[in-house]
Amino acid sequence: ILNVEQSPQSLHVQEGDSTNFTCSFPSSNFYALHWYRWETAKSPEALFVMTLNGDEKKKGRISATLNTKEGYSYLYIKGSQPEDSATYLCAVNKFYFGSGTKLNVKP
Amino acid sequence: GAGVSQSPSNKVTEKGKDVELRCDPISGHTALYWYRQSLGQGLEFLIYFQGNSAPDKSGLPSDRFSAERTGGSVSTLTIQRTQQEDSAVYLCASSLGHGSYNEQFFGPGTRLTVL
Repeated sequence: ILNVEQSPQSLHVQEGDSTNFTCSFPSSNFYALHWYRWETAKSPEALFVMTLNGDEKKKGRISATLNTKEGYSYLYIKGSQPEDSATYLCAVNKFYFGSGTKLNVKP
Repeated sequence: GAGVSQSPSNKVTEKGKDVELRCDPISGHTALYWYRQSLGQGLEFLIYFQGNSAPDKSGLPSDRFSAERTGGSVSTLTIQRTQQEDSAVYLCASSLGHGSYNEQFFGPGTRLTVL
């Protein structure tokens, strides 16, 4: 079992703010890290999969970085919008999930 | 499009009853996963199926939980003699393969409430 931790647990920002959250994991036996967005009343939706140290991925205003040597990944949202409000989950080696960061973006 | 579907969407049962939760994965996906999310907790892995291989049951919390996957497609998660601590959202996901890089596609979940 891998212990995956996410911080902060929740975050409240104003529309237009940029924000970031962290996913921490043991650096040994690492294969891949997935980021998901889970909106209320919907299914979790995959954002990124990252495998290599130094990986950077970007989709629109959302980007992510990966440091496998020190065991962390950052998810960044630039210019947050109300529609970004969701819980952001990371998963290591596919099925070891953190407890998520709940983001609320106020208009 | 034909995504992952789960039924029922909500289930309320009495303590001690058995329940069955169903998952229809995306056609052609060989890997299928069950998770649960209890209140205030993260997603907890329960079991996965990959093709015709024996399932990995390492996440099942007790022997009251079992799952099967018929014909490499539909899966049923069965909880016998339900307890209040079994109340959670049960999510199913499928992916093309079991490789760590394969994206999982999630169903909408079944919310189980044990009274």
